[in-house]
Amino acid sequence: EVQLVESGGGLVQPGGSLRLSCAASGFTFSDSWMHWVRQAPGKGLVWVSRISHDGRTTTYADSVQGRFTISRDNAKDTLYLQMNSLRADDTAVYYCAREGPPTWGILTLVYDYWGQGTLVTVSS
Amino acid sequence: DIVMTQSPDSLAVSLGDRATINCKSSQSVLFSSTNKNHLAWYQQKPGQPPKLLIYWASTRESGVPDRFSGSGSGTDFTLTISRLQAEDVAVYYCQRYSTTPPSWAFGQGTKVEIK
Repeated sequence: EVQLVESGGGLVQPGGSLRLSCAASGFTFSDSWMHWVRQAPGKGLVWVSRISHDGRTTTYADSVQGRFTISRDNAKDTLYLQMNSLRADDTAVYYCAREGPPTWGILTLVYDYWGQGTLVTVSS
Repeated sequence: DIVMTQSPDSLAVSLGDRATINCKSSQSVLFSSTNKNHLAWYQQKPGQPPKLLIYWASTRESGVPDRFSGSGSGTDFTLTISRLQAEDVAVYYCQRYSTTPPSWAFGQGTKVEIK
């Protein structure tokens, strides 16, 4: 059974830092591209970042570029999101999500498994 | 930036009736290299993460009931729930992929309730 379990959320002051983790199990983590998606309280879904299966390629939303860093440790089956210079509008539930494998050799570019999320609150 | 706009923002449907949600992209999401529309639909129930329903605009994810169907191409897409059941109460999001630069974006969501 595929499982993604996020941790590391909490209350942090504006300008502070936090590192989120996502522990993966039930699939070959090192084969999968992974994402972070966030959802502010009562709001919609917003893509944050993506990392390739080997960690060499990363992509970020404009809103977090230069402040957030996505990384992974394939030996530990764990995905990370280092968040610096946090702002109030970064307050959200942060989900890690697996990008589904290719179907018929074509990338689906969708999220087939999600974690339960971890809440980050940025407030003084 | 490609903007995804869903309509309506909410709808109330009687049990057993059809629910239709629309999603419009400001640019085409049809990739000529694969002839696939990179448009997906997700269902999110309260307190839960989203669940993938449909990808490539009309391909149902494994295990998703066949009362859920997707259609459309290019810039205009539709999610249809053919016979609404109580467990379908949720917020539904469309999502597109864009290549330049690589990015993913969601519509604002459509809340489906029982009338």
